[in-house]
Amino acid sequence: AQSVTQLDSQVPVFEEAPVELRCNYSSSVSVYLFWYVQYPNQGLQLLLKYLSGSTLVKGINGFEAEFNKSQTSFHLRKPSVHISDTAEYFCAVSPKKTSGSRLTFGEGTQLTVNP
Amino acid sequence: EPEVTQTPSHQVTQMGQEVILRCVPISNHLYFYWYRQILGQKVEFLVSFYNNEISEKSEIFDDQFSVERPDGSNFTLKIRSTKLEDSAMYFCASLLWDSPYEQYFGPGTRLTVT
Repeated sequence: AQSVTQLDSQVPVFEEAPVELRCNYSSSVSVYLFWYVQYPNQGLQLLLKYLSGSTLVKGINGFEAEFNKSQTSFHLRKPSVHISDTAEYFCAVSPKKTSGSRLTFGEGTQLTVNP
Repeated sequence: EPEVTQTPSHQVTQMGQEVILRCVPISNHLYFYWYRQILGQKVEFLVSFYNNEISEKSEIFDDQFSVERPDGSNFTLKIRSTKLEDSAMYFCASLLWDSPYEQYFGPGTRLTVT
């Protein structure tokens, strides 16, 4: 079984400031890692994913995340945020063992970017 | 760009009634999923569907729930006798077999049980 913990439920930042959203996971098997974003009244959109290889992955809208196997973490970062980045962000994992496996989500982090 | 669609966007029903939530996955996708998100809580997996049968289900997905792909394009979730605790946002998702494991999500159906 897998579990995901997002350490901050709410992160307020000012526009153009850097931001880091933290994610830790627990799993008895190797996993793929994902970050999804949910804008108000919309579905979940994939920001980025880690499948294998380089531990630093880049996604859409200037976001990046770094996989740290020893710390079982997959923190999301952006060097300079915009008002439009205000949204809920979800970290998720799925086991590598089979295709089509379920996603297990964290509780979500509400990022609010203030002018 | 192809997208997953869901209808209705909001459904209000009385406790004990049956509801059917509908989804149209992306046309060439092979795996289909239902997730739900109770207000203020995390997104939870309900069920996955592949090759016209359930491939995995969670402990939430009890006998009150069923899924169907009736016509090769729609994917439905039926709740036979709704309870107050079924009130949630229900998300449909689909996955291409050999894609980089990206599940594409629909906008969700908000189910309110009164």
